[in-house]
Amino acid sequence: AQSVTQLGSHVSVSEGALVLLRCNYSSSVPPYLFWYVQYPNQGLQLLLKYTTGATLVKGINGFEAEFKKSETSFHLTKPSAHMSDAAEYFCAVSSGYSTLTFGKGTMLLVSP
Amino acid sequence: GAVVSQHPSRVICKSGTSVKIECRSLDFQATTMFWYRQFPKKSLMLMATSNEGSKATYEQGVEKDKFLINHASLTLSTLTVTSAHPEDSSFYICSARPFRQGFGHEQYFGPGTRLTVT
Repeated sequence: AQSVTQLGSHVSVSEGALVLLRCNYSSSVPPYLFWYVQYPNQGLQLLLKYTTGATLVKGINGFEAEFKKSETSFHLTKPSAHMSDAAEYFCAVSSGYSTLTFGKGTMLLVSP
Repeated sequence: GAVVSQHPSRVICKSGTSVKIECRSLDFQATTMFWYRQFPKKSLMLMATSNEGSKATYEQGVEKDKFLINHASLTLSTLTVTSAHPEDSSFYICSARPFRQGFGHEQYFGPGTRLTVT
């Protein structure tokens, strides 16, 4: 079985501030981990993924995430928030099965 | 690359009618396509997994006779909501996994279809 927990349904930051969105997972086998972003009334866009190899993964739009096996975490960060980063972010895990399991999502709010 | 389209993007139908939603992978072949449902301010709920040329696998609690899925080719899957009712109103999103990629590889998502049943 696999599951994802995203801490915080809403995260608010000021423009230019650090973005940190938390994701913890559980998986009975080595996981594949993903972060997706969703803008209103749109589908999901892949930000980054971890499969194997380097545990620090860089994605699009300046985002990165670090896979920490000991903490079962895959937190998403960005050094400096931009207004255009305001969206819903979903962490997802796939662990040897064909399906993705999504977290409940975190809404990122960016204020001027 | 890896673009998935959905049609229509938005549909309003009367209660009791059927609605078909198409999901196409535009620049790659997809062995497997997935259909999700998303309620307002909620996460995505996997409805079914669709493999080309075979019957879809439905998640527990999803009525297969109500949500008919057909995956006739490596680039097209359709979801038909039969005898739609207001409670079927939702945002439906499909995704596709490229041919020959194994478990754990990313899925590419369509832009979603907003269904409103009146």
